[in-house]
Amino acid sequence: GQNIDQPTEMTATEGAIVQINCTYQTSGFNGLFWYQQHAGEAPTFLSYNVLDGLEEKGRFSSFLSRSKGYSYLLLKELQMKDSASYLCAVYTDKLIFGTGTRLQVFP
Amino acid sequence: NAGVTQTPKFRILKIGQSMTLQCTQDMNHNYMYWYRQDPGMGLKLIYYSVGAGITDKGEVPNGYNVSRSTTEDFPLRLELAAPSQTSVYFCASSALRVDTEAFFGQGTRLTVV
Repeated sequence: GQNIDQPTEMTATEGAIVQINCTYQTSGFNGLFWYQQHAGEAPTFLSYNVLDGLEEKGRFSSFLSRSKGYSYLLLKELQMKDSASYLCAVYTDKLIFGTGTRLQVFP
Repeated sequence: NAGVTQTPKFRILKIGQSMTLQCTQDMNHNYMYWYRQDPGMGLKLIYYSVGAGITDKGEVPNGYNVSRSTTEDFPLRLELAAPSQTSVYFCASSALRVDTEAFFGQGTRLTVV
């Protein structure tokens, strides 16, 4: 079966750093994606990892450990507009999403 | 660029009615997906397709049907609508390479009463 887990909710303060974890157990692995979804909108792509290690894109970084079935998304210098849900997804032979983490950023 | 287009944006159905959610993409993508998203939850895969003429079940296919007669179109059919199918439905597409992102339509908010 497929199992992708994330914390349900997180809160953080503007300007801070937050780490959103994702653990997965899937039959097959061809990469891990992170998407951002603002309330009432469609998901939009943030990052992709297929090899172990850290991928950095401006304020956002994503890390992958395939042996541990673990990834995290790191958001630095948080802004109010980062309040959204963050979805971890694993590509096996299809794209399967985790439960999503709702992040609230407070002033 | 249109990207992925879903219609309708909103719909209210009565129990037992049927409807088709339309999805079309203009990026010549091989992969297309249908997901449902219940309030406060992640996306659940209903059906997916790896190319014209090929479809496969996802995690929650019961109560739905799909077809893929062309590369562009991937309609989702609901037969005998039930309240449990009240959800937001997203269509997505991606290219054949595994490292390419999926692009999403704007969603269809369906309520079954």
